[in-house]
Amino acid sequence: GQQLNQSPQSMFIQEGEDVSMNCTSSSIFNTWLWYKQDPGEGPVLLIALYKAGELTSNGRLTAQFGITRKDSFLNISASIPSDVGIYFCAGQRPYSGGGADGLTFGKGTHLIIQP
Amino acid sequence: DSGVTQTPKHLITATGQRVTLRCSPRSGDLSVYWYQQSLDQGLQFLIQYYNGEERAKGNILERFSAQQFPDLHSELNLSSLELGDSALYFCASSASGAQFFGPGTRLTVL
Repeated sequence: GQQLNQSPQSMFIQEGEDVSMNCTSSSIFNTWLWYKQDPGEGPVLLIALYKAGELTSNGRLTAQFGITRKDSFLNISASIPSDVGIYFCAGQRPYSGGGADGLTFGKGTHLIIQP
Repeated sequence: DSGVTQTPKHLITATGQRVTLRCSPRSGDLSVYWYQQSLDQGLQFLIQYYNGEERAKGNILERFSAQQFPDLHSELNLSSLELGDSALYFCASSASGAQFFGPGTRLTVL
């Protein structure tokens, strides 16, 4: 199935550093979502973006919905040890019959923080 | 806690068998989505139900089927299981917009 291009694949950073990751697609999405997943658990919603150009923050996290509707980025400021995990972007298209279709996911960014 | 529950947490079975995974959505959510997560394919959308009716299909095999009941809980049925069906299976629910995921069922086919 189709997937989004998410980069980087992994990041090794020092505690306190800022983090940036992004997703791009050849298709337009109406909604962009960012999730974090810990091993053996379900993805947890971090930020939801519904409008092209929208910039939304959730604590130390900031995400933007690209103007072209084909990309999104997530920034984490001043990283802390509990930020470790896998971050996924997901795009959603409207369902042709009304409502929304299933999500298309990126392959994830593994964030590893060295104390 | 997302409010979405899934049972069982783990399931171990043999090739050729059939299993049923269960999901209860967040209170008030009418949409339920099923996803499969494997190491090689990542997170893949399988199927969506809205208020009891099938709404959208993704990469779901013919051996797999789902349904949503009047109380809005959903079941995913996997039959004629193969080794390659071993994966994490998640359901998610939404009112409109953002989807909230359950803790998943880890299926191991031996």
